[in-house]
Amino acid sequence: GAGVSQSPRYKVAKRGQDVALRCDPISGHVSLFWYQQALGQGPEFLTYFQNEAQLDKSGLPSDRFFAERPEGSVSTLKIQRTQQEDSAVYLCASSLSEDTQYFGPGTRLTVL
Amino acid sequence: DQQVKQNSPSLSVQEGRISILNCDYTNSMFDYFLWYKKYPAEGPTFLISISSIKDKNEDGRFTVFLNKSAKHLSLHIVPSQPGDSAVYFCAANSGTYKYIFGTGTRLKVLA
Repeated sequence: GAGVSQSPRYKVAKRGQDVALRCDPISGHVSLFWYQQALGQGPEFLTYFQNEAQLDKSGLPSDRFFAERPEGSVSTLKIQRTQQEDSAVYLCASSLSEDTQYFGPGTRLTVL
Repeated sequence: DQQVKQNSPSLSVQEGRISILNCDYTNSMFDYFLWYKKYPAEGPTFLISISSIKDKNEDGRFTVFLNKSAKHLSLHIVPSQPGDSAVYFCAANSGTYKYIFGTGTRLKVLA
């Protein structure tokens, strides 16, 4: 399909481990977003890329969180030294510009 | 401070009847509103949107109403179908890329 894809779909990490979550946006979409969705909550904005430029990282909860999109397509969200409070679904979305965002299926991260 | 609120965590409706999902917001700068539908283990799927210059937008069985003075919007689904059972999220933004989401309402359509 031509939608947003994310991998892995599920990730279990031991506390203190580093994890990397991947997002493949819809081809041609300039804008890419990462959101964090805790249980029972709506998605919360983490960061925004326009092509390869990270224009807003105001939602990243700590300096353990890092995102990149080096070639303006695929993006990786990295979490260093994971903590239990990092357990959530991480959603990636893409859009042509600043219009409607289309979401991937998410990666469910569980930190033990 | 929750800028977008969905005060009903769940709603049950008989098949064929109308489903009405509500959303309130506090930020008067919001000028674009969206509804997303989410099935278990899937990402949110865009359903319908409305700009603040309108008070109604319709797409098939789905209609969104916006009351700016009350800072309230609602999603009407008529007639409701069992396949509409999902979690519905309201989202808002103020002319930028940053969407603010509500906490969602779980709709169950009973056959």
